[in-house]
Amino acid sequence: QSALTQPPSASGSPGQSVTISCTGTSSDVGGYNYVSWYQQHPGKAPKLMIYEVSKRPSGVPDRFSGSKSGNTASLTVSGLQAEDDADYYCCSYAGSSNYVFGTGTKVTVL
Amino acid sequence: QVQLQESGPGLVKPSETLSLTCGVSGNSISSGFFWGWIRQPPGKGLEWIGSVYHSGSTYYNPSLKSRVTISVDTSKNQFSLKLTSVTAADTAVYYCSRIYSSAWYFWGQGTLVTVSS
Repeated sequence: QSALTQPPSASGSPGQSVTISCTGTSSDVGGYNYVSWYQQHPGKAPKLMIYEVSKRPSGVPDRFSGSKSGNTASLTVSGLQAEDDADYYCCSYAGSSNYVFGTGTKVTVL
Repeated sequence: QVQLQESGPGLVKPSETLSLTCGVSGNSISSGFFWGWIRQPPGKGLEWIGSVYHSGSTYYNPSLKSRVTISVDTSKNQFSLKLTSVTAADTAVYYCSRIYSSAWYFWGQGTLVTVSS
């Protein structure tokens, strides 16, 4: 299984929106509604932000939203804030209890 | 609240076996769920290593399958990772985690394992 493809970087000014894509195949992203997104600050463990494509765990701001179309999933961060400056990874269920992560995207708040 | 804590040697010699344990508190492993290991080489992305169900059933990343063993010890409420024949490419921060609805919901703080002679 190959890593899901994400853009290396994305950026936006405070208050703006940024969208990150996550492209896989019909064997992972396109085949299941089990795409999740993680935020990771330097030196910290990843934090779950979105699961099942578009659901937010308790405590995650509604500025974070997820969607999927075909083999590509997306994470949108609206109303960018300084603390959103971090790395973001997608992850998809790939069948047979296997998982595959994305290549990661560095989001910079300008 | 579920808490996970990785433990094990921070330095392993090439060709030897990397062994880590994840202690779980706030949740009994026997209660269900998948538990897993994920790693991150310095400056690089996340890689799923494998998962174990509370029953002991295991699932591994095909790229690592020949070298990985994950096991669960319900009496100690912990699960373990063994990775054989390590090389410098296995140097990484290793995280243990618990699944919720096919997402890695709870994470340990991570432990850096360096492969070097």
